[in-house]
Amino acid sequence: QKEVEQNSGPLSVPEGAIASLNCTYSDRGSQSFFWYRQYSGKSPELIMFIYSNGDKEDGRFTAQLNKASQYVSLLIRDSQPSDSATYLCAVTGSARQLTFGSGTQLTVLP
Amino acid sequence: EPEVTQTPSHQVTQMGQEVILRCVPISNHLYFYWYRQILGQKVEFLVSFYNNEISEKSEIFDDQFSVERPDGSNFTLKIRSTKLEDSAMYFCASSPGTNTEAFFGQGTRLTVV
Repeated sequence: QKEVEQNSGPLSVPEGAIASLNCTYSDRGSQSFFWYRQYSGKSPELIMFIYSNGDKEDGRFTAQLNKASQYVSLLIRDSQPSDSATYLCAVTGSARQLTFGSGTQLTVLP
Repeated sequence: EPEVTQTPSHQVTQMGQEVILRCVPISNHLYFYWYRQILGQKVEFLVSFYNNEISEKSEIFDDQFSVERPDGSNFTLKIRSTKLEDSAMYFCASSPGTNTEAFFGQGTRLTVV
C-alpha cells in the first residue's frame, strides 16, 4: 500500500514568516512529487513539482526533495493571509496517477 | 490559460439513479483522470485513461463505474445505481505526459439522497 503522510495541522504562522510543510512517502519507486493547494470546497491547484533531489524555487515557494529519506517539503516565504489553505502533497511512481496525502491546513495570521 | 472544465458543478440524485459527470480536459493533454474526495477525506484516485482506454483503476472503480471519451473533447464518468456513499466531490484532471503535472477541474459535487 503506497502511503503519503503529512501532519494534518493546523499550522499557524504570522504574516511575513516562513511556513514549512512536510511530507513523507512509503514507495521508494516514487518518481515525481507535487504540491497542491486546496481552498475549502475547491479543487486542488498545482503549486510546484519536483523530480530530482535538492531544492527547486519558484517565487515565494521552495520545494525540497530527499529521496534517500523519502521526504518532500514545501517552504513558503513571506507568508500572506491568502496562503491560508490546505496543502496537499502528492506523488506518482510507475503508475501515473497521483497518490495524495491527507493535507496540512495552514493558517497565516494577519 | 487552458483549463479543465467540468459540468455540472453540483448534481443531486436519488439513490439507485444513474449519473454522468462530464469533463473537457486541456486540449493537448494525453492522460485523463477521475479522482474523488469525500468530505473531510483525502483525494482518492479512481481511474486513468490514455489512448482511448483505461490504463489504471483503483479498487473503488468497480463495475458501478465506467468512463468514456465519446468524442475528441469530452471525457465522462458514469455511475450506475448510485449509493449514498457515492456522495463526494468528483474531480477530473488531465496531464500532458506520464509522471508530469496534472491539472484539475473545478469539480462536481455529487449528492446522493
